Amino acid sequence: DTAVSQTPKYLVTQMGNDKSIKCEQNLGHDTMYWYKQDSKKFLKIMFSYNNKELIINETVPNRFSPKSPDKAHLNLHINSLELGDSAVYFCASSQTGATNYGYTFGSGTRLTVV
Amino acid sequence: AQSVTQPDIHITVSEGASLELRCNYSYGATPYLFWYVQSPGQGLQLLLKYFSGDTLVQGIKGFEAEFKRSQSSFNLRKPSVHWSDAAEYFCAVGANQAGTALIFGKGTTLSVSS
Repeated sequence: DTAVSQTPKYLVTQMGNDKSIKCEQNLGHDTMYWYKQDSKKFLKIMFSYNNKELIINETVPNRFSPKSPDKAHLNLHINSLELGDSAVYFCASSQTGATNYGYTFGSGTRLTVV
Repeated sequence: AQSVTQPDIHITVSEGASLELRCNYSYGATPYLFWYVQSPGQGLQLLLKYFSGDTLVQGIKGFEAEFKRSQSSFNLRKPSVHWSDAAEYFCAVGANQAGTALIFGKGTTLSVSS
């Protein structure tokens, strides 16, 4: 079983469309994250949820809206897609206070806006 | 400000030669330090991590890293590089606390020449 799974793996869409990326973790972790990796490979935190509560909300256009229906799922909805949104989006999870603290990353969703 | 600096954008090493990738961090709390590797088109794989204790940590694929508090450094080393080690390497720092997220360096691209 994949620990952190993202769907879809690839997403090609036109400017102006609305799209969603889904993430699920089966590790029982209490915290989930969305990271964006730009064309220069830089990884930047976008959002974090702890037990379904938004706790990190970096400076991100409000066209991006995360939603966490339960602590095992964190989805990312993007409205009115722009060319600059093209990137790889990684979902991750962690368990706060764990003695073996660490992040588990999904395999990424490559979003291409044309 | 919390940050991670990887001074070398691109390094080329001959196969069989030793490797050292540099990482310096600035972090207010007790740092949890990580090294990840990303092969082209792939996700992030954890190489090793440091929380406390012995400052020399061993990871997968023959990698090791040394934590030096006085220099705020966490350099990654490998005694003999293989062609399959060619990839992007990321150093990251975080804290085992709710409301925090991993902060990544900008990465170092490793090329291996034959």
